[in-house]
Amino acid sequence: QQQVKQSPQSLIVQKGGISIINCAYENTAFDYFPWYQQFPGKGPALLIAIRPDVSEKKEGRFTISFNKSAKQFSLHIMDSQPGDSATYFCAATEFSYNTDKLIFGTGTRLQVFP
Amino acid sequence: KAGVTQTPRYLIKTRGQQVTLSCSPISGHRSVSWYQQTPGQGLQFLFEYFSETQRNKGNFPGRFSGRQFSNSRSEMNVSTLELGDSALYLCASSPRMDGSQETQYFGPGTRLLVL
Repeated sequence: QQQVKQSPQSLIVQKGGISIINCAYENTAFDYFPWYQQFPGKGPALLIAIRPDVSEKKEGRFTISFNKSAKQFSLHIMDSQPGDSATYFCAATEFSYNTDKLIFGTGTRLQVFP
Repeated sequence: KAGVTQTPRYLIKTRGQQVTLSCSPISGHRSVSWYQQTPGQGLQFLFEYFSETQRNKGNFPGRFSGRQFSNSRSEMNVSTLELGDSALYLCASSPRMDGSQETQYFGPGTRLLVL
């Protein structure tokens, strides 16, 4: 029940295209859902995050769509650029239970070709 | 503001040895968490500390331990190293003030290789 399932494992997108990564969870106590971007040799960096009281959040070219009833959330990268090539992780945590413990998805390796 | 720093960045040890990794959180951050990242298991939670108290612990053997000091700096220790402990160990910090949700900021990690 603590798992976060992420798909696809890898994604190849043409420059200017839309990249979509999906995640699903079971634990209804999760109340904060961040997405992290990781480049080789670096630690994960927060990209965008959402709470379950909203269905969508947009920051620049990055959008999170959240479906509470289906227990699914997804990351959309519009106008994908070669610089977006990285590994993306979705995560979830039970913030209201006074913990910072993040449960991560398995990661999606995104490659954007010019 | 300086980010989360981790030392050392790279470490090579042999089986049976022990290792101590250090993490300095962002100034003012009181919560520190540790994660292990491997190609096979992904990012897995080790433990978290807040105000020198361990709040939560992941599903790792007792060989993995940690602590947090009064200045919020944290260390993790792995005793009797095994080959499978080879991984990138990541530290993350967050302010955790006034009950507000804050982003966890990750350090660059310590890459441990056990031979």
